[in-house]
Amino acid sequence: DSGVTQTPKHLITATGQRVTLRCSPRSGDLSVYWYQQSLDQGLQFLIQYYNGEERAKGNILERFSAQQFPDLHSELNLSSLELGDSALYFCASSGTAGYGYTFGSGTRLTVV
Amino acid sequence: QKEVEQDPGPLSVPEGAIVSLNCTYSNSAFQYFMWYRQYSRKGPELLMYTYSSGNKEDGRFTAQVDKSSKYISLFIRDSQPSDSATYLCAMSAGNNNDMRFGAGTRLTVKP
Repeated sequence: DSGVTQTPKHLITATGQRVTLRCSPRSGDLSVYWYQQSLDQGLQFLIQYYNGEERAKGNILERFSAQQFPDLHSELNLSSLELGDSALYFCASSGTAGYGYTFGSGTRLTVV
Repeated sequence: QKEVEQDPGPLSVPEGAIVSLNCTYSNSAFQYFMWYRQYSRKGPELLMYTYSSGNKEDGRFTAQVDKSSKYISLFIRDSQPSDSATYLCAMSAGNNNDMRFGAGTRLTVKP
């Protein structure tokens, strides 16, 4: 157990639908990062939050949004889902700068 | 040109071989260098962490950083089938909001 908790582990939904992925960071970590990993693709950075505030934005589609709550858990909202959104979505958290990220086990999203 | 380049492989070696995994990068501001291991359908786990140039050894694993050449390596000695995974290099300048990952190299160690 890495200390980063992601739910649900698996999600199957239809095109056009909206889903919410949840992440609880490791205790004490203020930063949360969301990544997308498609089949045979590398990790694509989506967005970072630090202590409730958006800190950095990567290749995140306008149909996607995220937030970090006062208790530091984060949610990634994916709407108007398309087949191409099927992927593994990872959440990671970090504490002290430069010491790397701790990843959760991911949410596997399948859009049918 | 990508900021971090990593040969995606796949790389297949016999058990007991020495494995060399490499990444190059273009941003001279990077100071923290990491290697993550990702088993199939699992989250990446931090394997090695190095600050600035030099070598770091941990058991069968050795990480090398050559900042002058903007080149990092991970060596695995006496490779085992359990080492079969995708290895991702990652690096940052230190702010933790600028971490860049390589595409990952898929390694298979055959018994």
